[in-house]
This record gives sequence, C-alpha cells and structure tokens, in this order.
Amino acid sequence: SYELTQPSSVSVSPGQTARITCSGDVLAKKYARWFQQKPGQAPVLVIYKDSERPSGIPERFSGSSSGTTVTLTISGAQVEDEADYYCYSAADNNVVFGGGTKLTVL
Amino acid sequence: QLQLQESGPGLVKPSETLSLTCTVSGGSISSSSYYWGWIRQPPGKGLEWIGSIYYSGSTYYNPSLKSRVTISVDTSKNQFSLRLSSVTAADTAVYYCARVVVAATSYDYWGQGTLVTVSS
Repeated sequence: SYELTQPSSVSVSPGQTARITCSGDVLAKKYARWFQQKPGQAPVLVIYKDSERPSGIPERFSGSSSGTTVTLTISGAQVEDEADYYCYSAADNNVVFGGGTKLTVL
Repeated sequence: QLQLQESGPGLVKPSETLSLTCTVSGGSISSSSYYWGWIRQPPGKGLEWIGSIYYSGSTYYNPSLKSRVTISVDTSKNQFSLRLSSVTAADTAVYYCARVVVAATSYDYWGQGTLVTVSS
C-alpha cells in the first residue's frame, strides 16, 4: 500500500494565494487529483491529471507536480473557497486519499 | 444531466451486512468510458475508497476491506450495489457512489451520500 500526506490546515486572507501540498512516493509515477468538499456536501473534482481543470471550475484553481509532491494552488482565494481539500491517486487497482486539508479563508 | 442516488437502510446492526444501491439516471451505466465506485466518509473524518466496478462486472476493492466487500452491477436497471459484511461501529459513515472516468481515473459525478449507522 502507499500513503499520501497533506497538511491538516492552511489559512489565508481573501485575495491571497493558497497552496496545499500532497506528498507520497506514488506521485512520482502516478497522477494526482484534487477534491473540494464543503460541509454536508459531496466532494467536487477540481483538478485531475495533476493540473487539468474540469469544466466549470474557476481558473483560480490550478495544480502542479514536482517529484513526489503535488500542489493545489488557489490564486486570489475567496471566502467561498473555504472547504476541505483532498488529494488522491490510483495505482495497482487501488485508490488512496490524502487525509485532507482544511482551508480557512478569513 | 447525470445523477446518482444512493438508497438503502440507514441503520444496520453489528455483525450484519450493509447493503446499498446506487441508481444512475441521465446516462448509461454500460458506457465503456466509465466505471462506478463507492467511497465512504466516517463522521468528521476523511474519505476512504471502498471499491469500483466496470459494467462488464470487473471489480477492484480496497485491500483493507476486500474480505468483506462485494460490488455488483445490474445494467438492466442502470444500478450498481455495495454489500459490506460483518459490520462494526467503525463502518458507520456517509457512503457515496460516484462515476469514474476511465481515461483519467477521476471521480466526476457523485451521489449526495447516505449515512449508514451501525448500532444495535
């Protein structure tokens, strides 16, 4: 099995850039995806294949990869971006999620 | 617009089997471009992948749950189902069904989730 590690929390002021990292050996050879989850709601895919953005996701969301770490960047974070963010990856017919990062925007 | 809806008992007794069904509407479960998955989230905790199934019946399970999990598909009803046996309180969670894009292994559509509580 493998693991993905995220910081438990990140805080930014509105308009600042938020960066959330996800680390794991599997990321050196497999893509990462990112979900946003607001309280009481199902997760929403915001990034796939490390840096691709699904239709309907604002351009301020971007993803990047370097070695065994991927980063979700929210440029000009807004109050409505406050949520939990999860990375995940898939390898060997297995899917593993990171532990999640609570983003606070205030 | 694709929609997924979970259904099943909200309360299951310890040692019994949890059974949930996901009904897919607005699209065909038999598309070769997608497969279908189950994910759960214990209250106040993170996401855990349970497993997934292709319309042909090929399945993939979380190794930590594999001995207790069965996922099946009924293409005639456009549904897929989850069975989790020998449940304990640790299986209490919101259970989500979702669609997975084969090409990107990305979960792009989700059901609203259903809370299943394991308690006597």
